[in-house]
Amino acid sequence: QSVLTQPPSMSGAPGQRVTISCTGSRSNIGAGFDVHWYQQLPGTAPKLLIYDNNNRPSGVPARFSGSKSGTSASLAITGLQAEDEADYYCQSYDSSLSGSIFGGGTKLTVL
Amino acid sequence: QVQLQESGPGLVKPSETLSLTCTVSGDSMSNYYWNWIRQPPGKGLEWIAYIYYSGSTNYNPSLKSRVATSVDTSKNQFSLKLSSVTAADTALYYCARSWRGDDWFDPWGQGILVTVS
Repeated sequence: QSVLTQPPSMSGAPGQRVTISCTGSRSNIGAGFDVHWYQQLPGTAPKLLIYDNNNRPSGVPARFSGSKSGTSASLAITGLQAEDEADYYCQSYDSSLSGSIFGGGTKLTVL
Repeated sequence: QVQLQESGPGLVKPSETLSLTCTVSGDSMSNYYWNWIRQPPGKGLEWIAYIYYSGSTNYNPSLKSRVATSVDTSKNQFSLKLSSVTAADTALYYCARSWRGDDWFDPWGQGILVTVS
């Protein structure tokens, strides 16, 4: 069981907006540690999508955005496209474990 | 542009030691943290360990008793050893870079599948 909780699956039609949640606790997200998001396309390594809660690396479309509040964070994808079908993972740091932690991942299906 | 590449045996026998190496190209290893992350087939990601370029380390508490890492900056390589492996250690093993010990991971290697059998 992951320290960060994500919905196992979500779906949306092309053009729609979806939001993936990532719920932590007072020893990680709630303690002020930043949240980062990764996209993992089938058969490939994870790719950094959002860093430090709401920053996009160069090359990541503006359709992807992140936010953080309290003990939770969210990844929003607007204007959903077929190529967005992938697994998405959140990541943060936990002071109790003294190490990095991941969410269990969310499989996004584009209908 | 920095690139990472994992290498090592794809098959390890139970109770033996898994040994992997990550080769870094395109940049110096200095001032970065170098991480190992794994993903069992069909499952999520688990951070294993990091080693700073200077040699300081941090390990996932759940694996700490079985993990060791090393770095050789002259070869631009860092390594992972996981002892007393079982079938539960079968996974895709990734290496990745981070700026700090509590930071994001970027870039990642392509991963190497290690099967314990």
